[in-house]
Amino acid sequence: AQSVTQPDIHITVSEGASLELRCNYSYGATPYLFWYVQSPGQGLQLLLKYFSGDTLVQGIKGFEAEFKRSQSSFNLRKPSVHWSDAAEYFCAVGSSPFSGGYNKLIFGAGTRLAVHP
Amino acid sequence: DVKVTQSSRYLVKRTGEKVFLECVQDMDHENMFWYRQDPGLGLRLIYFSYDVKMKEKGDIPEGYSVSREKKERFSLILESASTNQTSMYLCASSFWDQNPSGANVLTFGAGSRLTVL
Repeated sequence: AQSVTQPDIHITVSEGASLELRCNYSYGATPYLFWYVQSPGQGLQLLLKYFSGDTLVQGIKGFEAEFKRSQSSFNLRKPSVHWSDAAEYFCAVGSSPFSGGYNKLIFGAGTRLAVHP
Repeated sequence: DVKVTQSSRYLVKRTGEKVFLECVQDMDHENMFWYRQDPGLGLRLIYFSYDVKMKEKGDIPEGYSVSREKKERFSLILESASTNQTSMYLCASSFWDQNPSGANVLTFGAGSRLTVL
C-alpha cells in the first residue's frame, strides 16, 4: 500500500541550530516527492519537490531535501533554523508525471516544529 | 500567483444540517481537490475532479459529495453534517502538464475550519 511516514510528531530546536525532518515512503512506482509547510492558520505552501535527476533538491527559505531510493526516504534539512520556521511540515508522495494519470498526493501525518529563541 | 480561495474560513453548523464549502481558483487549473486535515492524520483526500462535471472518489468520500459545474469552482457538500465531520477542510488545484517542472504541484487555499455541534 502507498503510504508516507513522518516518524517525528513534534520537534523542538533552538534558533540557529540545524534541522532534519524525516520522511519515509512506500510507493510502487517512481515517486514524485514533495515537502509542504503550513504556518498557523494558513494553507500549505510548497517548499520543494523531487521528480528525477539530482537527488539533492533545493527549495525555498533555505531548505533542501535528499532523495535516497535505497532507504525510501526524502528527509528535509536546513542548516540554520530561524524562529519564523516554526510551522507544521508535511511530506507527500505522488505519481511521477511521466506515468500519466492524475497526481493524487498521499500525505504524511506532519511534523510540528517549534523553535526556541 | 495562483490563488485558491475558500469562501468560509470558519463555520459552525448543527448536526443534520446541509453544509456547502466553496472553493474557487483563478488560474484555469484542470484539477481540483478536497482534503480533510486532522491532527495526527495529516491530509486525507475526500474527492477530486479533473474536469468540469467530472469527479472521482478519494480515500474518505463517505458522507461527502462534490459539484463542479464550472472549471474554476469546486464545491464540497455535506448532506447531513455529523460531529465526526468537525475538521479543517483544504481545497487545492493543479494543472496537468507532461513537463514535470511545474506539473502536478498543488496550490492550496487557506482552509475552512468546520465545527459541527
